[in-house]
Amino acid sequence: QKEVEQDPGPLSVPEGAIVSLNCTYSNSAFQYFMWYRQYSRKGPELLMYTYSSGNKEDGRFTAQVDKSSKYISLFIRDSQPSDSATYLCAVEAAGNKLTFGGGTRVLVKP
Amino acid sequence: DGGITQSPKYLFRKEGQNVTLSCEQNLNHDAMYWYRQDPGQGLRLIYYSQIVNDFQKGDIAEGYSVSREKKESFPLTVTSAQKNPTAFYLCASSIARGLAGETQYFGPGTRLLVL
Repeated sequence: QKEVEQDPGPLSVPEGAIVSLNCTYSNSAFQYFMWYRQYSRKGPELLMYTYSSGNKEDGRFTAQVDKSSKYISLFIRDSQPSDSATYLCAVEAAGNKLTFGGGTRVLVKP
Repeated sequence: DGGITQSPKYLFRKEGQNVTLSCEQNLNHDAMYWYRQDPGQGLRLIYYSQIVNDFQKGDIAEGYSVSREKKESFPLTVTSAQKNPTAFYLCASSIARGLAGETQYFGPGTRLLVL
């Protein structure tokens, strides 16, 4: 079993729809939770960073963490074609070692 | 502009050849990392360095080597012992390693292809 599981997609939505992305993880020692966005043939860029359970909002992006269920989510409101990318979740235990999910490819159609 | 640069963008390796990927950062970060990305498998850690002249193996270090002679530079050599080197290689840096919660910033990547 992988430490972090993520549906590879692709997830196709019409422009303006809400994009919902999820990851599950197996190790309760993970304390920090991140979402990275990666455009094709580019390096990942950090989108959201959370520490505790609950919600964190930044513009059109909302990250949710449920530590009791070992489940993290990212929601993108009013999706745009420019949101088409691969979204990677990452979790971190102590010592700054990141463990990544496999990524979900998102396509937002105009 | 502060950031991480990787070169070349594309690299071709012949069988039995060693190749070196460059990574430079001007963020004044102490920690640097090399990851390998294969389709559908996320990023896997190859090597990391917390400080100049020190580096540690990650999860998939076999067939790779690194050096850290300068704070700004962390080159990765893919040796002939790496039998499946075709992948997208990403370099990252963070202010320090060992401090929980430090964000890692990524370079644009190098795509390595085998001829």
